[in-house]
Amino acid sequence: DTEVTQTPKHLVMGMTNKKSLKCEQHMGHRAMYWYKQKAKKPPELMFVYSYEKLSINESVPSRFSPECPNSSLLNLHLHALQPEDSALYLCASSSRTGGGEKLFFGSGTQLSVL
Amino acid sequence: GESVGLHLPTLSVQEGDNSIINCAYSNSASDYFIWYKQESGKGPQFIIDIRSNMDKRQGQRVTVLLNKTVKHLSLQIAATQPGDSAVYFCAETPYGNDMRFGAGTRLTVKP
Repeated sequence: DTEVTQTPKHLVMGMTNKKSLKCEQHMGHRAMYWYKQKAKKPPELMFVYSYEKLSINESVPSRFSPECPNSSLLNLHLHALQPEDSALYLCASSSRTGGGEKLFFGSGTQLSVL
Repeated sequence: GESVGLHLPTLSVQEGDNSIINCAYSNSASDYFIWYKQESGKGPQFIIDIRSNMDKRQGQRVTVLLNKTVKHLSLQIAATQPGDSAVYFCAETPYGNDMRFGAGTRLTVKP
């Protein structure tokens, strides 16, 4: 199984809502990532988890809160988002962090903030 | 010249022709490079990778060339097919750091 599964595929939320994005992989990977992708732009790194610990936070606003409950799951909790946060949110995994390994990506959650 | 960030560079080719997509990377310390293909509504899909101790690597219908002197990476697709139409991203990994993506190129294959 070389799949990274993300749910939901689409999400529409208001600026006062709280929602969560979910990501799951069963490849035994110990590194998991959140990327944000705006239309016609490359993915931008948000967070990196290594062995279930947050190792990189790319100065992401606190209205985005990541969580790694176990080595297979990664969540992104959303609260008080702004319309400019509308984007495709991609989860990825790799066998380890620190470079030199390909990332496996999910299909993403297309988020619209109204 | 190109207006950075306003639109993706595009490449349009005829079906059956060869395609060459170019990428300039920024970090001379990068030692691992990947090409990803992204179709509409999907996540990036791995195509081919190359490490800095190589200058060429071939896959099925694809070849990646690495020129470390000028920090340039290219992806060659042989006998391009309509299913190859997508956005292609190069990505680099500086040693000890995590993956960063280049701007991307939209490939359109005309039947």
